[in-house]
Amino acid sequence: EVQLLESGGGLAQPGESLRLSCVASGFTFRNYALNWVRQAPGKGLEWVSSISPIGVSTYYADSVKGRFTISRDNSKNTVYLQMNSLRVEDTAVYFCAKSFVTEADAFDFWGQGTMVTVSS
Amino acid sequence: EIVMTQSPATLSVSPGERATLSCRASQSVSSNLAWYQQKPGQAPRLLIYGASTRATDIPARFSGSGSETEFTLTISSLQSEDFAFYYCHQYNKWPPSFGQGTKVEIK
Repeated sequence: EVQLLESGGGLAQPGESLRLSCVASGFTFRNYALNWVRQAPGKGLEWVSSISPIGVSTYYADSVKGRFTISRDNSKNTVYLQMNSLRVEDTAVYFCAKSFVTEADAFDFWGQGTMVTVSS
Repeated sequence: EIVMTQSPATLSVSPGERATLSCRASQSVSSNLAWYQQKPGQAPRLLIYGASTRATDIPARFSGSGSETEFTLTISSLQSEDFAFYYCHQYNKWPPSFGQGTKVEIK
């Protein structure tokens, strides 16, 4: 059974940093691209970032480029999202999602999400 | 960026009736389109990928159609568990993008 478990969310002040983690199980982690998608309270889904299976290629939404960094440790079945210079508008539930195969693909499994609140 | 527009924003349907949801892309996405279902407080669930292929364990009452810029998700006979939000997602071109969602509610 595929499982994705996010952690690391919480309350941060504007300008501060958080690092999200997503631990995966139930599939061969190193063979699949991973993604972060967020959902602001009461709003729709917004793609944030993607990383290729071996981590060579990374992609970012314009809204987070230069502030967020995605990475992965295939020995730990874990993908990370380092979030720096947080803004109030980054407040959202952050979901980790597995790609069907490649970076440009549907997302076939999702974690339950971790809440990030940015407020002074 | 490709803009995905879903309609209607809210669809009121009686149980057992048919629901038809639309998704339009601002430029062609070929068949690289997915549909997700999301219930309050839950993660999205993949329903359809490749515009028309049902994901694993998705009931046959869900079907997808379309290509290029016009797509449809049809739920043939709504069950109580189908009342939820539905999102389309294009993955043809970077950055991937989602529609704003359609809420399917009980009439």
